[in-house]
Amino acid sequence: GAGVSQSPSNKVTEKGKDVELRCDPISGHTALYWYRQSLGQGLEFLIYFQGNSAPDKSGLPSDRFSAERTGGSVSTLTIQRTQQEDSAVYLCASSSQGGGEKLFFGSGTQLSVL
Amino acid sequence: GESVGLHLPTLSVQEGDNSIINCAYSNSASDYFIWYKQESGKGPQFIIDIRSNMDKRQGQRVTVLLNKTVKHLSLQIAATQPGDSAVYFCAETFHGNEKLTFGTGTRLTIIP
Repeated sequence: GAGVSQSPSNKVTEKGKDVELRCDPISGHTALYWYRQSLGQGLEFLIYFQGNSAPDKSGLPSDRFSAERTGGSVSTLTIQRTQQEDSAVYLCASSSQGGGEKLFFGSGTQLSVL
Repeated sequence: GESVGLHLPTLSVQEGDNSIINCAYSNSASDYFIWYKQESGKGPQFIIDIRSNMDKRQGQRVTVLLNKTVKHLSLQIAATQPGDSAVYFCAETFHGNEKLTFGTGTRLTIIP
């Protein structure tokens, strides 16, 4: 597709379960970002991938969170042993430029932890 | 730590009028600023950006103003339309930093 694609669009899980969120960036975009948006809040940076460089994981809130980007394209954000405070919209963005410029966002995954 | 915030959480404007959304930032090292629009159920959409070597930049019906002296950013939307109703976020970063810092957003409602 032409834009950033995220799946699933909605995910309901039980506390303690693991979840995987997927992001398909725009073809050719070398930079990929994950952000988290809690209800009524701004976006919180989680992790950044640029090409083959080591990812910037400085925004991950705990070691329960991890992300991978395979082949420089698709990325998966994994949350282990989910907690209720993990409930949020998880947004993926990609860019052809990096440096925080011209990010194109997907529609996000709404995660609800019961 | 650095923060980016908005003065008003909500703003209602009559259709056809102009609107101004304000944003304050605290990191004097920030040199790149962006406005995003987020409609319900969607991800943020890029509107316009500005670098710190400029104080004004215009797009289609939108203008961004940057005042580095007081660390203030504003988004002006001319001749507002119902489709302009959304949450607007300012974001900032600096050279060499890959992370955008977002404000909490202003909800703009256009009254028909």
